[in-house]
Amino acid sequence: EVQLLESGGGSVQPGGSLRLSCAASGFTFSSSGMSWVRQAPGKGLEWVSSVSSNAAVTAYADSVEGRFTISRDNSKNMLFLQMNSLRAEDTAVYYCARRGGSSEFLNWGQGVLVTVSS
Amino acid sequence: QTVVTQEPSFSVSPGGTVTLTCGLSAGSVYTTHYPSWYQQTPGQAPRTLIYNTNSRSSGVPDRFSGSILGNKAALTITGAQSDDECDYYCVVYLGSGSWVFGGGTKLTVL
Repeated sequence: EVQLLESGGGSVQPGGSLRLSCAASGFTFSSSGMSWVRQAPGKGLEWVSSVSSNAAVTAYADSVEGRFTISRDNSKNMLFLQMNSLRAEDTAVYYCARRGGSSEFLNWGQGVLVTVSS
Repeated sequence: QTVVTQEPSFSVSPGGTVTLTCGLSAGSVYTTHYPSWYQQTPGQAPRTLIYNTNSRSSGVPDRFSGSILGNKAALTITGAQSDDECDYYCVVYLGSGSWVFGGGTKLTVL
């Protein structure tokens, strides 16, 4: 069974930093592209960032470019999102998602809440 | 900036058929955008319904189908049930490793 378990969320002041982690199991992590998708309270889904299976290619939404960094450790089946210079508008539930072979978000974690507030 | 458009809300009668659409501000949605659809109930993670335009994800009943209708991607639900009342999101792949989600459609079954 595929499992994606996010951690590292919490409350932080504007301008602060957080690092999210996603522990993956039940599939060959090193063969799967991975992504982060977020959802602000009461709002829709927003793609945040993606990384290829071998970490060679990364991409970011314009809203987080230059502030967030996606990375992965294939030896530990872990996905990360380093979030710097956080803003109030970054407040959201952040989901870790496994990408399928047709660019879909195949599996989802349960999400972790990040709150940016003074 | 590319915007993906969805109907904000839609209503369907129990047992009825509804088609939700997913458009692109920049033009048409093609199969090369690999449109996919997700179902989300409040407080839960999204569930993958349809990928690659018209492929059903594992365990998704055949009441759900995907297609391209005109210049938009479409999700059709036949035989609507009360459990189908939730939010539906589409997402399109823009290339270069980036995606854009639509704003979501809140489906009411009544």
